[in-house]
Amino acid sequence: AQSVTQLGSHVSVSEGALVLLRCNYSSSVPPYLFWYVQYPNQGLQLLLKYTSAATLVKGINGFEAEFKKSETSFHLTKPSAHMSDAAEYFCAVSDRESTDKLIFGTGTRLQVFP
Amino acid sequence: KAGVTQTPRYLIKTRGQQVTLSCSPISGHRSVSWYQQTPGQGLQFLFEYFSETQRNKGNFPGRFSGRQFSNSRSEMNVSTLELGDSALYLCASSIAGVDEQFFGPGTRLTVL
Repeated sequence: AQSVTQLGSHVSVSEGALVLLRCNYSSSVPPYLFWYVQYPNQGLQLLLKYTSAATLVKGINGFEAEFKKSETSFHLTKPSAHMSDAAEYFCAVSDRESTDKLIFGTGTRLQVFP
Repeated sequence: KAGVTQTPRYLIKTRGQQVTLSCSPISGHRSVSWYQQTPGQGLQFLFEYFSETQRNKGNFPGRFSGRQFSNSRSEMNVSTLELGDSALYLCASSIAGVDEQFFGPGTRLTVL
């Protein structure tokens, strides 16, 4: 069965610092991978997705993620954090036959300090 | 283009009651998925509908059911509510076969 593990339920960074949110997946075949962001009292917004094209994926708001098959990882990074990045971030996986069934990680809450 | 809309946004019910939540997908999207989000269990897949047929189902009891209409709008129903059903219920729509889901703002259900 597919699953994702997000290491660190809370991450704190200073404004301007590097953001690194970790995600490892478990899947018997190469999956589709996603990062979503959720702001308070809102739904989820897609940041970026990996669907077996380029392994380095660029998303919205300056975020990017690299698919590393050897490490079964899909970590999310942003070179310079902004106060507006404070939110909860979810990594998700789906298999290629059921792309409308997402399996989510437990989420990482990002705090950005001035 | 309008996004995914969910009604109502907030709902308070008591144990034993039933509730119906509604989701209107983005125009042209034929697939609708439902998720439950709780602090303890996180985001969990409930079910997915495409062309009025349930295609995928998560591990939830039969008290949770759904349906989809010919205009792709979807409803989910929870019968005999329990305290543990208190959650944010999210609906997502997609062009079936394409790998991106668009989420609505959710319905916050509180069971007293």
